[in-house]
Amino acid sequence: DTGVSQNPRHKITKRGQNVTFRCDPISEHNRLYWYRQTLGQGPEFLTYFQNEAQLEKSRLLSDRFSAERPKGSFSTLEIQRTEQGDSAMYLCASSLSGTLEKLFFGSGTQLSVL
Amino acid sequence: SQELEQSPQSLIVQEGKNLTINCTSSKTLYGLYWYKQKYGEGLIFLMMLQKGGEEKSHEKITAKLDEKKQQSSLHITASQPSHAGIYLCGADYGGSQGNLIFGKGTKLSVKP
Repeated sequence: DTGVSQNPRHKITKRGQNVTFRCDPISEHNRLYWYRQTLGQGPEFLTYFQNEAQLEKSRLLSDRFSAERPKGSFSTLEIQRTEQGDSAMYLCASSLSGTLEKLFFGSGTQLSVL
Repeated sequence: SQELEQSPQSLIVQEGKNLTINCTSSKTLYGLYWYKQKYGEGLIFLMMLQKGGEEKSHEKITAKLDEKKQQSSLHITASQPSHAGIYLCGADYGGSQGNLIFGKGTKLSVKP
């Protein structure tokens, strides 16, 4: 296992379409996080899972966004009825549970909504 | 207002020169992370600091956390083109596990 894997790397979609991204964390990591990053800004927290339980959601995560981690392994992030403002890099990270554990990030999925 | 401020916003240095990037928090930190990001890529973990006055080094990069745990600095000695990228500090305020608050980043360019 070489790290956190995200697919696809790039996604171009038309406004109003639905998109889904996938994240495969480091295999022994039980925590998984989604962040969003726009140009010139740092990543912003969206949500996180411990095993299959979604424990926290940011207010940035509107009702058009849904994240799942059905078996406590990989996770998907779906955006319904995409808007141009959703264009961003979507980053996934994983860690072992515990305080101040290192977050390992994937390479991200770059979403462009036309 | 931004909880975590990074300075400078961007930096251009000649290869071989030393440089320092600062990260200032508006409140006491539980932990402070430093990451490096290449354009369009994910974040690479550099160092994590928790204790006031702590200092860590890896190769030519040294990070420090002040005694009050509100400010951190990242120092690169004898910079190389491979150091170029965006440096991000991320703050853990202890409220939620993994909910790091990131600064806007410092873009570093190293001229050969």
